[in-house]
Amino acid sequence: NAGVTQTPKFRILKIGQSMTLQCAQDMNHNYMYWYRQDPGMGLKLIYYSVGAGITDKGEVPNGYNVSRSTTEDFPLRLELAAPSQTSVYFCASKTGFYTQYFGPGTRLTVL
Amino acid sequence: ELKVEQNPLFLSMQEGKNYTIYCNYSTTSDRLYWYRQDPGKSLESLFVLLSNGAVKQEGRLMASLDTKARLSTLHITAAVHDLSATYFCAVDDDDKIIFGKGTRLHILP
Repeated sequence: NAGVTQTPKFRILKIGQSMTLQCAQDMNHNYMYWYRQDPGMGLKLIYYSVGAGITDKGEVPNGYNVSRSTTEDFPLRLELAAPSQTSVYFCASKTGFYTQYFGPGTRLTVL
Repeated sequence: ELKVEQNPLFLSMQEGKNYTIYCNYSTTSDRLYWYRQDPGKSLESLFVLLSNGAVKQEGRLMASLDTKARLSTLHITAAVHDLSATYFCAVDDDDKIIFGKGTRLHILP
């Protein structure tokens, strides 16, 4: 199993550009999550999904959108990138009451 | 809104000493997780605590959960340099998993 994969690993965006961060898992987990981690800080929940077709807002959803058309994939869309969105983005998945498995992260810089 | 507070946020300690990290939360959840993060890396699962009174141990780390007090602790016994990392607790609030700010632990040889 590859576990949770994220692409790209690094990206630099200009202000106002848009992009999609990809997240995929091959463990047939029903729960998936997107977090952002600013330097030296904890993780903030952006969006989460409890199954295909179901998504819900987390703590900091503004400026982001998600979709969950399949169990495996949970892309995060940034529209009109702003410097405040410079961060490391982590995707995670889990099943039941078990622990979350995290991807390696995407380091995003908005200039 | 769920609040998860960890303390201390920074901890510098000598090898061989014992210490405890505290995680307080504001809801009635009975599902709590502990993770470790090394600099520049992703998060690694340490413990899953699923009921009041749950206690888990792995090596020099032991975690416990008191749902009545809404408190979890991560106890470090006879610390070694390899345990230097940032430790996070996270609380499951109806599938929304919220993290504390983390405790940056630096163990001096």
